[in-house]
Amino acid sequence: EAQVTQNPRYLITVTGKKLTVTCSQNMNHEYMSWYRQDPGLGLRQIYYSMNVEVTDKGDVPEGYKVSRKEKRNFPLILESPSPNQTSLYFCASSLNRQSGGYTFGSGTRLTVV
Amino acid sequence: ILNVEQSPQSLHVQEGDSTNFTCSFPSSNFYALHWYRWETAKSPEALFVMTLNGDEKKKGRISATLNTKEGYSYLYIKGSQPEDSATYLCASPRLRDDKIIFGKGTRLHILP
Repeated sequence: EAQVTQNPRYLITVTGKKLTVTCSQNMNHEYMSWYRQDPGLGLRQIYYSMNVEVTDKGDVPEGYKVSRKEKRNFPLILESPSPNQTSLYFCASSLNRQSGGYTFGSGTRLTVV
Repeated sequence: ILNVEQSPQSLHVQEGDSTNFTCSFPSSNFYALHWYRWETAKSPEALFVMTLNGDEKKKGRISATLNTKEGYSYLYIKGSQPEDSATYLCASPRLRDDKIIFGKGTRLHILP
């Protein structure tokens, strides 16, 4: 089944404790992206990747890192999480950025206390 | 228009009625326009990807039109059903960089 697999679904962590949210797609998509969703603010792009070893900042990249060492994986890393990073996170991929719609992962609800 | 904007923010529609809402986007350097349907506690799902001015796409009772010259797209739902209750998002890739920008969505409530 074609899908984007995102883990974990839920995570509660403490301020400053490094964490990684994994994202993997099996559709050979070139474009992958991370978004956070906050009430009243909609989906905001954190980072995106056009292809392997090509990553770029979205509109809200502060406090996040990503890597794209293989085409299928695009992990989101929070080196030192803070409470303002409490949010719902989505990973998404598409064949390329204009002709394909996104396939979204199931989301990660992150709480930083 | 500098960003992707959607209106209205929220909409209540009687079951059986038809409805529509709007997505506005920067018309200069247009690339594509995506529509998504997002049900509560699920992930957004792609409805349409539109690229050509005058494009019209249809999926069951849902259809969308595109005007790239004036920078808007309409989503229409004919004969609303309870299962149509969701947030409808539009998104547009930006030419000047490689970002894909989302509107804040229209939250549709179908009243029985």
